[in-house]
Amino acid sequence: AQSVTQLGSHVSVSEGALVLLRCNYSSSVPPYLFWYVQYPNQGLQLLLKYTSAATLVKGINGFEAEFKKSETSFHLTKPSAHMSDAAEYFCAVSGEVNNDMRFGAGTRLTVKP
Amino acid sequence: DTAVSQTPKYLVTQMGNDKSIKCEQNLGHDTMYWYKQDSKKFLKIMFSYNNKELIINETVPNRFSPKSPDKAHLNLHINSLELGDSAVYFCASSQDGMRTEAFFGQGTRLTVV
Repeated sequence: AQSVTQLGSHVSVSEGALVLLRCNYSSSVPPYLFWYVQYPNQGLQLLLKYTSAATLVKGINGFEAEFKKSETSFHLTKPSAHMSDAAEYFCAVSGEVNNDMRFGAGTRLTVKP
Repeated sequence: DTAVSQTPKYLVTQMGNDKSIKCEQNLGHDTMYWYKQDSKKFLKIMFSYNNKELIINETVPNRFSPKSPDKAHLNLHINSLELGDSAVYFCASSQDGMRTEAFFGQGTRLTVV
């Protein structure tokens, strides 16, 4: 069954530093991949998605992710972290079964001043 | 207008009670989901529906019964509540259940005492 693995349950960076959140997927078919952000006491919001067009995907708030089939990865990056980026980030996969979107365990991003 | 709305936002109840959570989406989407988020933020799919038809039914106790009166609504009824049911429950919808992103409600925090 399709799944995603997020390496690192907690990532801490300094303000202005590079953000790198890791996601690896497993799927028997070409996947559709998503990154979501969750702020405290809120629902999930889409940051960006990969749907087999460009392998480098740009999203909101300066985030981007690159689909690498050879590495089965879809890591999320941002060149310069802001305090407002502190949140929980989730990678998700769909495509193997209709109407079935699976999420990773999440990575909590902390941004230090 | 809220795209995916859930009610109530908070629900505190005693063990053994029966409760319902309502979800409505005004996006015209065909697919709706219920996810459970535990205290460690892990998001687990419970059910998905497509045009009122049950598609995904994960290993969820049969005390949980989803009902979709029409494709804009997906309600969750829980019988004989247990302490372990305490979690945040999210409703979501997507246009096609595969290549399009899911839109999430704000969540319902269920506390069983």
